[in-house]
Amino acid sequence: TQLLEQSPQFLSIQEGENLTVYCNSSSVFSSLQWYRQEPGEGPVLLVTVVTGGEVKKLKRLTFQFGDARKDSSLHITAAQPGDTGLYLCEYQQNRDDKIIFGKGTRLHILP
Amino acid sequence: GAVVSQHPSWVICKSGTSVKIECRSLDFQATTMFWYRQFPKQSLMLMATSNEGSKATYEQGVEKDKFLINHASLTLSTLTVTSAHPEDSSFYICGLRSGSKYEQYFGPGTRLTVT
Repeated sequence: TQLLEQSPQFLSIQEGENLTVYCNSSSVFSSLQWYRQEPGEGPVLLVTVVTGGEVKKLKRLTFQFGDARKDSSLHITAAQPGDTGLYLCEYQQNRDDKIIFGKGTRLHILP
Repeated sequence: GAVVSQHPSWVICKSGTSVKIECRSLDFQATTMFWYRQFPKQSLMLMATSNEGSKATYEQGVEKDKFLINHASLTLSTLTVTSAHPEDSSFYICGLRSGSKYEQYFGPGTRLTVT
């Protein structure tokens, strides 16, 4: 069974601190998506990573795709309360394959 | 980014009744639509996948006669929960995808409460 392991499951830190969350699998990803979901809302797409070793930046968010395309990380610099939410990674190997979501990292930024 | 709407945003219904949830893409053509349910503090659980003009493909354990999905056009999909029971109470979210891309754009969700 293909699985996406996200860690940590929960993270509560003070505003202004840096943090990194991870998404790992034993399978090779063709592409990987990161989403953020706030309570009572649908997930919002943050980024898609495709190429091994790829790094993408979205303001204070830095996404990295592992060289072997089996893992990805999301680093947040100077976290703000608005970063609070559930961070999900997702992939589908091929069109006919099952969509796989990680269980998510629930992030809470304390003001 | 793509804009997706869901209606209603929340609904309360009595046990045994049916509820229809609509999902619309407002500014792109959704060739594939997904329906998810999400329980509190958990991740998304895929219920079914539908392509425009085709019958939906349901995930294992999801009853196709209970959760009716109609992908009527490239901008509209509906999920009907038939003969709802309290255990069907959940947060239902649609996800839309266009063409060959893998990214999904999600609706804001519908909170269903069955009493």
